[in-house]
Amino acid sequence: DAGVIQSPRHEVTEMGQEVTLRCKPISGHDYLFWYRQTMMRGLELLIYFNNNVPIDDSGMPEDRFSAKMPNASFSTLKIQPSEPRDSAVYFCASSWVPGTLLMNTEAFFGQGTRLTVV
Amino acid sequence: AQSVAQPEDQVNVAEGNPLTVKCTYSVSGNPYLFWYVQYPNRGLQFLLKYITGDNLVKGSYGFEAEFNKSQTSFHLKKPSALVSDSALYFCAVRDLSGSARQLTFGSGTQLTVLP
Repeated sequence: DAGVIQSPRHEVTEMGQEVTLRCKPISGHDYLFWYRQTMMRGLELLIYFNNNVPIDDSGMPEDRFSAKMPNASFSTLKIQPSEPRDSAVYFCASSWVPGTLLMNTEAFFGQGTRLTVV
Repeated sequence: AQSVAQPEDQVNVAEGNPLTVKCTYSVSGNPYLFWYVQYPNRGLQFLLKYITGDNLVKGSYGFEAEFNKSQTSFHLKKPSALVSDSALYFCAVRDLSGSARQLTFGSGTQLTVLP
């Protein structure tokens, strides 16, 4: 498997524009996570899905952020409108959990999308 | 609430020397603990985890970590450091007793192995 695939790797956009980040999880994985990494705040969980259903979006910073998972092989994270403080590296991760053993299962991360909003 | 602390932002060691990257945690119940490594411009890679059983956990690339419940610590160790071990290391925790499903990450420790 190619691992978790994120696109684009880098995105530079102007303030106010819509930004869409994409993620393809590892085939067969039933959990998908979106994280944001900044120097100031470290790694923050934004939202996660189980079987394409959003389970916890309490980490989504504002209504400008939205995430979807229309099928098991694709997820998007959208920011509209984007602001300079959204500049960060956004990671997607996936896990396969046998039964209910999410707690002891590691997540596999993509290479991230470096977003710069100017 | 669960939390993780990595008290050192930066650790420097000479190649061939043992290394330790420190991690302490706070949970209300029993923890599941993880270590990840991040190389420049890459995503996080899983190194090892503690779930139950032996306090000494062995992982990838010769790394190991020791779970110490009384000190609420899970320090990452390697007997002989390599220059290629230079990277950013993250400790993470899940609390067994809570409803949280996500990993809570520490702030990261930059390890530099000097040749």
